[in-house]
Amino acid sequence: NAGVTQTPKFQVLKTGQSMTLQCAQDMNHNSMYWYRQDPGMGLRLIYYSASEGTTDKGEVPNGYNVSRLNKREFSLRLESAAPSQTSVYFCASRGTGIWLAGGAEQFFGPGTRLTVL
Amino acid sequence: AQSVAQPEDQVNVAEGNPLTVKCTYSVSGNPYLFWYVQYPNRGLQFLLKYITGDNLVKGSYGFEAEFNKSQTSFHLKKPSALVSDSALYFCAVRVPALGSSNTGKLIFGQGTTLQVKP
Repeated sequence: NAGVTQTPKFQVLKTGQSMTLQCAQDMNHNSMYWYRQDPGMGLRLIYYSASEGTTDKGEVPNGYNVSRLNKREFSLRLESAAPSQTSVYFCASRGTGIWLAGGAEQFFGPGTRLTVL
Repeated sequence: AQSVAQPEDQVNVAEGNPLTVKCTYSVSGNPYLFWYVQYPNRGLQFLLKYITGDNLVKGSYGFEAEFNKSQTSFHLKKPSALVSDSALYFCAVRVPALGSSNTGKLIFGQGTTLQVKP
C-alpha cells in the first residue's frame, strides 16, 4: 500500500495564479483532511471531509476550496494564490473505526511545499 | 476555547539520558490525545494516543506518554534518548463535532524540536 500520496511535491506560483493540490489514499479511509504547516504555528486545519460527499471548513479555509472526488481522492484548490499561502501542505486520512474503539489516528502524506511569489 | 500548548520550542538532551517533551491541553469533554513525530522533509508519523484506560500509554520507538487529568497534561517521555530521535514532535487533541461520536478533528500544538546530542 502506498498510504497517502500527494502531488506535486514542490510548486512555485506567481500571485494570482491558480492550482490544485492532489491527494489520494488507498486505505479505504472515510475521513480526509488538508492542513498547512507554518513555522512556529504547528498544523492548522484548512478543510476536512468526514465521508465521501461531505466537506467542512477547518480553522483557516479562506482562499481555498476542496473537492472530495470519491472515497480515495481529496483535492485542494487555490483559486488566486497569495504570498500568505506560501506554506507546506499536508493531506491526511483517518480510518473508519469510531474514535473510542480505534481508528483514531490520522495518516499523513509527504507534503507539498508551495511558494507564492 | 479548545487548545493545545507545547511550552518548549526546543528540548536538548544528551544521548542515553531520559527525555520529556511537554504538552498541556484545554478541551471540553473527555480528551483524546495524540503524539506525532516529523522528520525533516517528511510527513507526520503517529507515535501514540490516549483514548481511555491506563494513564501511561506506550507507543512506537520506545516512547511513552503519561496522561494527567488534574494537570491537563500529556507529556511525552523516553527513558534513554537516541540521536535518531532528533525530530519535530507534535501533540494534538481531538475536538469532537457536536452531536456525533465519530467525527471531529485534531488541534495541533506548535511543535517542539528535540535535539539529541551524542
